[in-house]
Amino acid sequence: EAQVTQNPRYLITVTGKKLTVTCSQNMNHEYMSWYRQDPGLGLRQIYYSMNVEVTDKGDVPEGYKVSRKEKRNFPLILESPSPNQTSLYFCASSSLGQGTSGTEAFFGQGTRLTVV
Amino acid sequence: GDSVTQMEGPVTLSEEAFLTINCTYTATGYPSLFWYVQYPGEGLQLLLKATKADDKGSNKGFEATYRKETTSFHLEKGSVQVSDSAVYFCALSPRGYQKVTFGTGTKLQVIP
Repeated sequence: EAQVTQNPRYLITVTGKKLTVTCSQNMNHEYMSWYRQDPGLGLRQIYYSMNVEVTDKGDVPEGYKVSRKEKRNFPLILESPSPNQTSLYFCASSSLGQGTSGTEAFFGQGTRLTVV
Repeated sequence: GDSVTQMEGPVTLSEEAFLTINCTYTATGYPSLFWYVQYPGEGLQLLLKATKADDKGSNKGFEATYRKETTSFHLEKGSVQVSDSAVYFCALSPRGYQKVTFGTGTKLQVIP
């Protein structure tokens, strides 16, 4: 079954304690990205990756890091979490578009993070 | 930059009512347009898409038509069901790029 798997689904942590949220996809997609979802703001892109070892900032990258050492995995790292990073996080993957057609993004189930 | 504006919710409808969720966009060129749906406790999943002007995307009884002249992509369904209760996101992706820009989402609640 084609899927994007995030772990953990729920996480409560304290300010400053480093954490990693894992993301893995089994569709051999080149493109992966992280979003955060906040009420009234929709989904905002944090970081994205076009392929292995190729990552770039999205719209709200401050306070986050990512890595892409393997095609299937794209972990999100919060080195020193703060309460304003309390949010619902989604990982997504898609294949690179063929010319002019938009391609579907596949989303993980989400990780609800609370930083106290 | 690119942006998507959709009507604020929540929208509450009785079962079998007609649904319209408005969506307008700002983008250069000819982006691809999408509607994603998020059921409670789940991630987003693609509902329908359209990749060029006048294209109509459809799925599960939902429809949306790519209107370049009005930069709109309104979502419609003729008869909603309780199982359609979810949050609906309008989104766009510039041609040749993967980044998706989302609207703020519209929560739909359908009551029996």
